[in-house]
Amino acid sequence: GENVEQHPSTLSVQEGDSAVIKCTYSDSASNYFPWYKQELGKRPQLIIDIRSNVGEKKDQRIAVTLNKTAKHFSLHITETQPEDSAVYFCAASISAGNMLTFGGGTRLMVKP
Amino acid sequence: DAGVIQSPRHEVTEMGQEVTLRCKPISGHNSLFWYRQTMMRGLELLIYFNNNVPIDDSGMPEDRFSAKMPNASFSTLKIQPSEPRDSAVYFCASLRQGIDTQYFGPGTRLTVL
Repeated sequence: GENVEQHPSTLSVQEGDSAVIKCTYSDSASNYFPWYKQELGKRPQLIIDIRSNVGEKKDQRIAVTLNKTAKHFSLHITETQPEDSAVYFCAASISAGNMLTFGGGTRLMVKP
Repeated sequence: DAGVIQSPRHEVTEMGQEVTLRCKPISGHNSLFWYRQTMMRGLELLIYFNNNVPIDDSGMPEDRFSAKMPNASFSTLKIQPSEPRDSAVYFCASLRQGIDTQYFGPGTRLTVL
């Protein structure tokens, strides 16, 4: 089955700096890669996703990149703000609408 | 749409008691997932259903855990008897097969004393 590894497990940045979280996956059949943000005491919520037919997707301050050959994808957050502090999960699936395999999560702390 | 609904939001019980967690998926969604989240083990998939049928329950920790989905709009996760190590946040999530991504409910925080 699919295995998703996520790094780093914790990340501390200064407000305004960029943050990058990386994930690798094992199943070359995976084609859908969402990212979830979980604030303290809340549910994981989808923030952005990417499908294998594109290499990069941006939404304001967040972007995802995908390298299918190397089987890794990354989340980039620019101009970080304290409200970006949360746990971020990457996931992989053969397509949207199928079971997700989650990474172990990254705790991002943005220091004001 | 109200989103995925879970009840209760908090449950405190004593060791040995039966606990039942409930979930109502988003209308039109035909896959449902139960997760357990702890600091030590992260987010673990316990079981999932497609069209009310259990597909993979390999994540269910042991026989004390059972899950049912009697119809498309309701699922339960039961722990009997409960133990302190079952204390965690339990999330239910749903999706529309082949079309949509997965949406989580607000979770049930279970404390077993």
